[in-house]
Amino acid sequence: QQQVKQSPQSLIVQKGGISIINCAYENTAFDYFPWYQQFPGKGPALLIAIRPDVSEKKEGRFTISFNKSAKQFSLHIMDSQPGDSATYFCAASMGSNYQLIWGAGTKLIIKP
Amino acid sequence: DAGVIQSPRHEVTEMGQEVTLRCKPISGHNSLFWYRQTMMRGLELLIYFNNNVPIDDSGMPEDRFSAKMPNASFSTLKIQPSEPRDSAVYFCASSFGVDQPQHFGDGTRLSIL
Repeated sequence: QQQVKQSPQSLIVQKGGISIINCAYENTAFDYFPWYQQFPGKGPALLIAIRPDVSEKKEGRFTISFNKSAKQFSLHIMDSQPGDSATYFCAASMGSNYQLIWGAGTKLIIKP
Repeated sequence: DAGVIQSPRHEVTEMGQEVTLRCKPISGHNSLFWYRQTMMRGLELLIYFNNNVPIDDSGMPEDRFSAKMPNASFSTLKIQPSEPRDSAVYFCASSFGVDQPQHFGDGTRLSIL
């Protein structure tokens, strides 16, 4: 019940296309859902995060869509660029709990 | 702003040796986290400090691992004796408050031969 399941494991998208990465969770007590971006040789960096009181959050080309009833959330990258090629992790936590439950990661490759 | 600083960036040593990884959190952050990342297990939280006090070390694999935070600007993760299965990338992260976003360092890539 503590797991966060992330898919796909890897994704190849053409430049200019939309990249979509999905995550699903079981624990309804989760109330914070961040996405992290990791480049090779670097640590994960917070990209965007959402709380369950909204169904969508947009920051530039990055959008989180949240479906509370389905217990799913997804990251959409519009107009994908080669510089977006990285590994993306979803995560979840509850309340003031520091313990982030991480997805397994998605390696995204944007083809020029 | 300086981010989380980890040293060394790479460490190669032989089995049985003591390894010490170092972390300088972002100034003003009062929460510090040590993670381990491997292909097989992904990101694992090893230990969490709040205001320099270890709060949760349940992720520490075994007694060979220890972590300290002697002051707000420095933490160490020590492995003694090291084993080949300890090979991984070790990340330190800090945050301003337990429920605030975690900022990661660039990690230490540890190889135990």
